[in-house]
Amino acid sequence: GDSVTQMEGPVTLSEEAFLTINCTYTATGYPSLFWYVQYPGEGLQLLLKATKADDKGSNKGFEATYRKETTSFHLEKGSVQVSDSAVYFCALTRNTGGFKTIFGAGTRLFVKA
Amino acid sequence: DTEVTQTPKHLVMGMTNKKSLKCEQHMGHRAMYWYKQKAKKPPELMFVYSYEKLSINESVPSRFSPECPNSSLLNLHLHALQPEDSALYLCASSSPTRTHEQYFGPGTRLTVT
Repeated sequence: GDSVTQMEGPVTLSEEAFLTINCTYTATGYPSLFWYVQYPGEGLQLLLKATKADDKGSNKGFEATYRKETTSFHLEKGSVQVSDSAVYFCALTRNTGGFKTIFGAGTRLFVKA
Repeated sequence: DTEVTQTPKHLVMGMTNKKSLKCEQHMGHRAMYWYKQKAKKPPELMFVYSYEKLSINESVPSRFSPECPNSSLLNLHLHALQPEDSALYLCASSSPTRTHEQYFGPGTRLTVT
């Protein structure tokens, strides 16, 4: 069945460090891939998306590339800030053989000043 | 306007109460979703409405009853809940395109006593 696997957290980084959060997926057909961010006490916000192989999604300094050959969609940021502290969810959505949306377990990021 | 609103923000109810959660969006989206999120877990899909018709029910107990009165509103009626139903209930909406990128509300924090 479909699944999304994220690296376990928490991830603790110092300000201005490089961030990578790994995400791999299994899915029927050609899913769209997303990263959502959830700040404490809030709902989820769409961070970036990619809808086909080799697409690169980017927003607010975050990037992720849809890699079909490795079924991956790793999130990266060159220089994190304290305000990036949050939980990050990788997710897929597909419509082949019926609608499905699946979230990874989430990775908590702490950024220290 | 890219906002999804949810009311109330917090709700405490007894196991014999009947209450409703409300969700509203004015983005012209024709798909709306209810999710349940337990602490430190990813959101779990409960229901999907597409063009005001229920299209997905993820085997949710009948004590949760969704309703979509029009294209902008989504309700979740609650009756005879159990303490384990305490969670953050998230509403989301999306445009009926292939990408299905979802916009989330801030959620209703539900406590069942």
